[in-house]
Parts: sequence; C-alpha cells; structure tokens
Amino acid sequence: KQEVTQIPAALSVPEGENLVLNCSFTDSAIYNLQWFRQDPGKGLTSLLLIQSSQREQTSGRLNASLDKSSGRSTLYIAASQPGDSATYLCAVLVQGAQKLVFGQGTRLTINP
Amino acid sequence: GAVVSQHPSRVICKSGTSVKIECRSLDFQATTMFWYRQFPKQSLMLMATSNEGSKATYEQGVEKDKFLINHASLTLSTLTVTSAHPEDSSFYICSAPSLRGTAGELFFGEGSRLTVL
Repeated sequence: KQEVTQIPAALSVPEGENLVLNCSFTDSAIYNLQWFRQDPGKGLTSLLLIQSSQREQTSGRLNASLDKSSGRSTLYIAASQPGDSATYLCAVLVQGAQKLVFGQGTRLTINP
Repeated sequence: GAVVSQHPSRVICKSGTSVKIECRSLDFQATTMFWYRQFPKQSLMLMATSNEGSKATYEQGVEKDKFLINHASLTLSTLTVTSAHPEDSSFYICSAPSLRGTAGELFFGEGSRLTVL
C-alpha cells in the first residue's frame, strides 16, 4: 500500500529565505508526483507535476525534484514571501490507476 | 479559471437529513471523477471513484449506502451524504482527470464544507 509522508509538518521562516519541503513515498511504482497548495478552507491549487520519467520541474520561484528510486521528492521555494503561506501537499499518482495518494502536508508560514 | 466546480461551497444541515454535493467539469468531459474527504488539519483521503455509466468504486471503509455517488453525465458527478451525522462534518473535494494537456493531471474543485449539527 502506497504511503506518502511529508516533513516537516509545519515550518515558519522569515520572509526572503529559501526553503525546502520534503516528501517521501514507499512504493516507487508511480505514474507521477504532484505538489499542491491549499489555503485555509479552500480547495487545491496545482503547483508542479513531475512525470515518473522526469527528474525535476520548475515554475517561477518553485522547483520540484523527483528521485523515484529512493522514493523522495523535494519542493524548493526561493526568496519566500508572506503570500507563500499555505499548506503544501505532495501526492503520488499510483501506477495503473488514477488514484492520488496524499501526504499529510506541510503548513508553511512566512513571517514578514 | 476553475475547470472543476463544486456546489455548494458550504452547507449546514441537521442531523438525520441528506445533503447533495455537485461536482462539474466545466469545459471538458470526465468519464471518471474522484471524491475526497479532508478532516481538519489532515490530508485528503480518497473516498470513491465515480464512473459515468456504471457504479462507483468505493475505498475500503467507506459506506456506499451512506455516501451515494451518481455520475449523471460526462460533466456531472454528485455525492449525497445520507442521514448525516456530526461525524460526517468534513471538507469534501472532487477531482477530475484532464484528457488534454499534461497526462495524469487531475483538476480539483474548490471543495464543499459540510457541517452537521
């Protein structure tokens, strides 16, 4: 059974810092890995999607990497801003299905 | 803009009543949609897969008689919480796979917060 773990559960940093969020998964048979952002009481916003054959994806100040063999992904946020404050969720799409398995999320707070 | 829309965004009901939540794909057809539940400060848990033209597939531990799913058309899936109880209070989110653009990409609705009194 696929399990996804995110570390840390919560992170608070000053504005301007670069930071890394971690995601690990137990079964490397994935179709892709996705990072989402969730604001309180809201739905999910897709940030980055990495196919299983890819190593990384970049969008603006965000960079996500994928090491499928070790079951790890990182989300790098450069020059953090207060508007980046949200919960960040990592999810893997199970191979052979369209089921997303989510991690518990990292609650990020960027302090002005 | 949003490509998957949910309605209502918030609903409060009395214990014992039934509540219907709609999930629509706005500019694409979705033969499959997924329903998730999220308890406060917890992650999303897949409840069931809605299939157009056939029965929904439920995850282990999810009561199919309590959470009725109907995939009425290629753009609409509904989740009905029957005889709701306070422990059913949660955030329900649907998603649908994109048939264009990035393979394996799922679009999510804005979510529906159910509060059962």
